[in-house]
Amino acid sequence: DVVMTQSPLSLPVTLGQPASISCRSSQSLVHSDGNTYLNWFLQRPGQSPRRLIYKVSNRDSGVPDRFSGSGSGIDFTLKISRVEAEDVGVYYCMQATHWPRTFGQGTRVEIK
Amino acid sequence: EAQLLESGGGLVQPGGSLRLSCAASGFPFSIYGMNWVRQAPGKGLEWVSGIDGSATTTYHADSVKGRLTISRDNSKNTLYLQMNTLRLEDTAVYYCVRGVGGFDVWGQGTKVTVSS
Repeated sequence: DVVMTQSPLSLPVTLGQPASISCRSSQSLVHSDGNTYLNWFLQRPGQSPRRLIYKVSNRDSGVPDRFSGSGSGIDFTLKISRVEAEDVGVYYCMQATHWPRTFGQGTRVEIK
Repeated sequence: EAQLLESGGGLVQPGGSLRLSCAASGFPFSIYGMNWVRQAPGKGLEWVSGIDGSATTTYHADSVKGRLTISRDNSKNTLYLQMNTLRLEDTAVYYCVRGVGGFDVWGQGTKVTVSS
């Protein structure tokens, strides 16, 4: 199975400051069709997860442009340019290139 | 708007069975692969099972193979998870999720508690 490793696991941030979460996979996420199926999700307290980013760097509809995804191969990053209060929650990366699908452990973002 | 609504969760004894349902609306259900993802109390997300749009191919995590089975009825726009021989460690909120690769639409979840 592909192991997804996120860091850090806890991220205290100051409002208005940038934040960055790393996600590394144990093997390449490049699919035979040429796409890289790496998604990012946010789970706010008490809510279902919501997808923010798909195929590494594509923002979902309604996701603020302060969120951006980057990376390739096995190394990926989610960045928030200026953290807002509504960004608090747990962020997960997930690979959908290989079966079984696998998630990272989650990164808890909180306001300092 | 695409929506998923899970049902069927509850309290069951170890070794017991349960069937979860997920009613889909607002999109052409039969052309989308679907998944079940679970979250144990205080823990992260764990993919459980996936199925393609035509129900030709299914996938299951090793931890549930032979006990949990995904299926779908496209005439009813409904996804299922048959859960047999349940264990304490199956206690979780179970989410229905759209898309074999996308995971773009999530239900609100249904809670399954396995306890004696």
